[in-house]
Amino acid sequence: AQRVTQPEKLLSVFKGAPVELKCNYSYSGSPELFWYVQYSRQRLQLLLRHISRESIKGFTADLNKGETSFHLKKPFAQEEDSAMYYCALSDDFGNEKLTFGTGTRLTIIP
Amino acid sequence: GAVVSQHPSRVICKSGTSVKIECRSLDFQATTMFWYRQFPKQSLMLMATSNEGSKATYEQGVEKDKFLINHASLTLSTLTVTSAHPEDSSFYICSARGPLGQGRGTEAFFGQGTRLTVV
Repeated sequence: AQRVTQPEKLLSVFKGAPVELKCNYSYSGSPELFWYVQYSRQRLQLLLRHISRESIKGFTADLNKGETSFHLKKPFAQEEDSAMYYCALSDDFGNEKLTFGTGTRLTIIP
Repeated sequence: GAVVSQHPSRVICKSGTSVKIECRSLDFQATTMFWYRQFPKQSLMLMATSNEGSKATYEQGVEKDKFLINHASLTLSTLTVTSAHPEDSSFYICSARGPLGQGRGTEAFFGQGTRLTVV
């Protein structure tokens, strides 16, 4: 069965410092990995997906199949980055059925 | 991005009654909708996948007779919690996806969620 692990429930980072939110997964096939973000009092929304290889709001994430990781990174944290971040995995059947990690609450300290 | 609307956002019901939650895609046709449940401080857990015009596919451990899902049109899916018990109290979230495009599919958009409290 597929699984997504986010080891940090809470993460506090000073403004301007680098951010790394960890995500590891277990899946036997070729998964698609996503990062979703939920800002205060807002709904869950897609931040980025590994196949698009984009940088969104300064965030990037590289899929490392050897380490089965998909860590989210940003070189310089901004206060508006404070939010709940979920890593998610979709199986290789292309049906977008998502398995979510438990989430990491990121707080940026001014 | 596209908008998915859930209604109601909050509902309180008595034990034994049924509650219906609606999920609508407002500006696109959703061929597939997903229903998730989230317990406090826990992750979203997929309950079922519904495709327009066909029966929903339930995840293991989810009672299909308890959580009735109907996806009668391309813009509306409903989740009915039947004979609700206090342990059904939770946060229910739907997401909707449009038709498959090129590559691995299209983005899923989430509703704002429904907080169900059964007393």
